Amino acid sequence: DADVTQTPRNRITKTGKRIMLECSQTKGHDRMYWYRQDPGLGLRLIYYSFDVKDINKGEISDGYSVSRQAQAKFSLSLESAIPNQTALYFCATSDPGTSGGAFYEQFFGPGTRLTVL
Amino acid sequence: RKEVEQDPGPFNVPEGATVAFNCTYSNSASQSFFWYRQDCRKEPKLLMSVYSSGNEDGRFTAQLNRASQYISLLIRDSKLSDSATYLCVVNTPDTGFQKLVFGTGTRLLVSP
Repeated sequence: DADVTQTPRNRITKTGKRIMLECSQTKGHDRMYWYRQDPGLGLRLIYYSFDVKDINKGEISDGYSVSRQAQAKFSLSLESAIPNQTALYFCATSDPGTSGGAFYEQFFGPGTRLTVL
Repeated sequence: RKEVEQDPGPFNVPEGATVAFNCTYSNSASQSFFWYRQDCRKEPKLLMSVYSSGNEDGRFTAQLNRASQYISLLIRDSKLSDSATYLCVVNTPDTGFQKLVFGTGTRLLVSP
């Protein structure tokens, strides 16, 4: 089974609808992230969480909200979806490791392809 | 200027060829550097970290030049399975958080 899972994998919705994307992980990592990927723009950080009580905005948080329900679960919501939120969304996790967090790998889920019409 | 810049390619090479990608970063405070691989419509996966002394993993060699702020990835004896997009990733301090900044990727196509 995959260590980081995302649901749904694909979603088509209409403008103005509320959408929730879910992420679960079995890696036991405290840190979780939400990114979006658009052609030509690379991955951009939406929100990140270092533990259940710590949630922070990334570079493109407007129009999004998140919930860290447990160490293993991190959900991303689009309160009122708009067409320019059409993108590939990735959840990721990481472990600061033993070197103070400077060197760590992020593990990505399989992604959710969201289309807003 | 983008924080991390890469040539988008595509680089079209025959099997067995050697190919090199470069990446430049703008923040001199960046501390950690990585190459991730992303197959079409799939999640990025860590290919290798890049250390100051350079490092090699089989057919892959990564090098870092801090003075010029660029990172390179060399792939020797290219295989068809190397066809993918290679993301240059830099770990940069940002308000107490070491964030990962992703380049837009360089696409590699290896042909028979």
